[in-house]
Amino acid sequence: AQRVTQPEKLLSVFKGAPVELKCNYSYSGSPELFWYVQYSRQRLQLLLRHISRESIKGFTADLNKGETSFHLKKPFAQEEDSAMYYCALSGPRGSTLGRLYFGRGTQLTVWP
Amino acid sequence: DTAVSQTPKYLVTQMGNDKSIKCEQNLGHDTMYWYKQDSKKFLKIMFSYNNKELIINETVPNRFSPKSPDKAHLNLHINSLELGDSAVYFCASSQDTGLQQYFGPGTRLTVT
Repeated sequence: AQRVTQPEKLLSVFKGAPVELKCNYSYSGSPELFWYVQYSRQRLQLLLRHISRESIKGFTADLNKGETSFHLKKPFAQEEDSAMYYCALSGPRGSTLGRLYFGRGTQLTVWP
Repeated sequence: DTAVSQTPKYLVTQMGNDKSIKCEQNLGHDTMYWYKQDSKKFLKIMFSYNNKELIINETVPNRFSPKSPDKAHLNLHINSLELGDSAVYFCASSQDTGLQQYFGPGTRLTVT
């Protein structure tokens, strides 16, 4: 069965410190992995997806199929990064009808 | 030029009432979704429509009935509201299944 696990409910770092938000998944096949972010009182928005292999707002995430992980990293956290971060999984295009399976989210707080 | 919009933004009502939440997207997408975010911020899909046809119907009480009058709209009607229905409901859309989903601002439903 598909599952997305974000082990940390809360994560706090100081400005300028590196940050890593963990995400592990289980899926029998080749999933598509995403990170969505929800800033305070704003809508959920896509931060990045593994197939694009890009860096958004300084964040990167690498899909590690051996460890079934898709951790989100940023070398120098900024206060404006404070938000709720969701890791999400979908099957290959069309296979799960677009169903996104979300982790429970990690609330990141970056202190000044 | 809002991509995905929902009305109302806030909805406070009493147990037993019937209410509707409306969602509209102007992105030309053919797939729309409803998600429920509970008090612990956990996001779970409820329904999905592709070209006005229901393709995902998760284990949701049949008091919840989605309706898609056209590809740009997906409304959610809830009968006999219960306390446990209190949550934030998010609408989303994507071009085809398995692609990036764009979320609405959410509707915070409070049942008293």
